[in-house]
Amino acid sequence: GAGVSQSPRYKVTKRGQDVALRCDPISGHVSLYWYRQALGQGPEFLTYFNYEAQQDKSGLPNDRFSAERPEGSISTLTIQRTEQRDSAMYRCASSFGTSDSYEQYFGPGTRLTVT
Amino acid sequence: AQSVTQLDSQVPVFEEAPVELRCNYSSSVSVYLFWYVQYPNQGLQLLLKYLSGSTLVKGINGFEAEFNKSQTSFHLRKPSVHISDTAEYFCAVNSGAGSYQLTFGKGTKLSVIP
Repeated sequence: GAGVSQSPRYKVTKRGQDVALRCDPISGHVSLYWYRQALGQGPEFLTYFNYEAQQDKSGLPNDRFSAERPEGSISTLTIQRTEQRDSAMYRCASSFGTSDSYEQYFGPGTRLTVT
Repeated sequence: AQSVTQLDSQVPVFEEAPVELRCNYSSSVSVYLFWYVQYPNQGLQLLLKYLSGSTLVKGINGFEAEFNKSQTSFHLRKPSVHISDTAEYFCAVNSGAGSYQLTFGKGTKLSVIP
């Protein structure tokens, strides 16, 4: 079946512009996660949804970052007034259930470059 | 708070030789442990996971890992590597107890030399 998809795969934007990154999870997966991966680092947690409810947003670095999942499926991560330090790979993952032990399936990521 | 340390950022190894990628974690509670692999231009793929039970865990592509609670380690091993194993490997921990986020190490780049 289809895996987690993310779009766009690459995004170049100018400082100060807003960007929206999209994640389409595996069908039937109730949990969705966003991570950010800087060059040479492992992914870092940003936020987590259970169905449409944002259960944990403790990893969002500041109020320029927001995420939504209005119908419990597709999610959008929005970065307002982008800065160069926002350049990174943004990864989305989904899992079948809400148990801690459920495997998280990752998408290919969106490479964001802020110039 | 939990953290993951991958001691080697790069590991070169000859084809058909054995390899061990090291991972240590710190957590004050019981943990679930994972190894993910990232091939170029692809997403992270789960290799194996430790949830409970036997401390020796077998995964895909001939990899295995051993959970050692006293040493807080979860090292990944393969007895004979192939060129196709060239990739970046990430160790991750989930503390359970209602915490859904994975904490990753910085990754180890495995280069298999023909």
